[in-house]
Amino acid sequence: GAVVSQHPSWVICKSGTSVKIECRSLDFQATTMFWYRQFPKQSLMLMATSNEGSKATYEQGVEKDKFLINHASLTLSTLTVTSAHPEDSSFYICSARDQRGTRRKEQYFGPGTRLTVT
Amino acid sequence: GENVEQHPSTLSVQEGDSAVIKCTYSDSASNYFPWYKQELGKGPQLIIDIRSNVGEKKDQRIAVTLNKTAKHFSLHITETQPEDSAVYFCAASRLDSNYQLIWGAGTKLIIKP
Repeated sequence: GAVVSQHPSWVICKSGTSVKIECRSLDFQATTMFWYRQFPKQSLMLMATSNEGSKATYEQGVEKDKFLINHASLTLSTLTVTSAHPEDSSFYICSARDQRGTRRKEQYFGPGTRLTVT
Repeated sequence: GENVEQHPSTLSVQEGDSAVIKCTYSDSASNYFPWYKQELGKGPQLIIDIRSNVGEKKDQRIAVTLNKTAKHFSLHITETQPEDSAVYFCAASRLDSNYQLIWGAGTKLIIKP
């Protein structure tokens, strides 16, 4: 149980274009989803937290107009990187949590999406 | 705010030996401490967690201990196997921050055959 998928697993795009990454909870309902960014050999950096049906809460320093997050249902959240530039190249990982019930503390992670902007 | 320190950054052990990774946290209100394993190119996988009302938890070859007084917790892996090679992250969180995870820097565990 507690499986989270991400699509695509990797993507290459040209500078100036936008890219959408999907995050789905496959066997549970995710009241909260998180988006992280990870640089090589570093820990995860939280970008934003989204609750189903609400606007995302962005961490300090993360541009909300550049990283658009939508959490329209209890099983799907999307991250759109708008007008991507080479410095946006990174490994993006989502996680999901069901705040109800006995497992409300646990976060389950997707497999990640490798974004390369050329 | 909360800060989590993790040591060592790299740990190399002989196959079959035990491995111990240690973390310390600064916020005494933290009450949930998960450990994640991340293989190269993949997302983190929750392997074990402990809550502040418990001192130790074990799951087969993996165990976690928590010392609330000293504010540190440790991951213990016994009888290590090649597939245990990965990066391990500890994290701390608390109820009134909506269990947002504060991450350690990670430990690269290398199992030598």
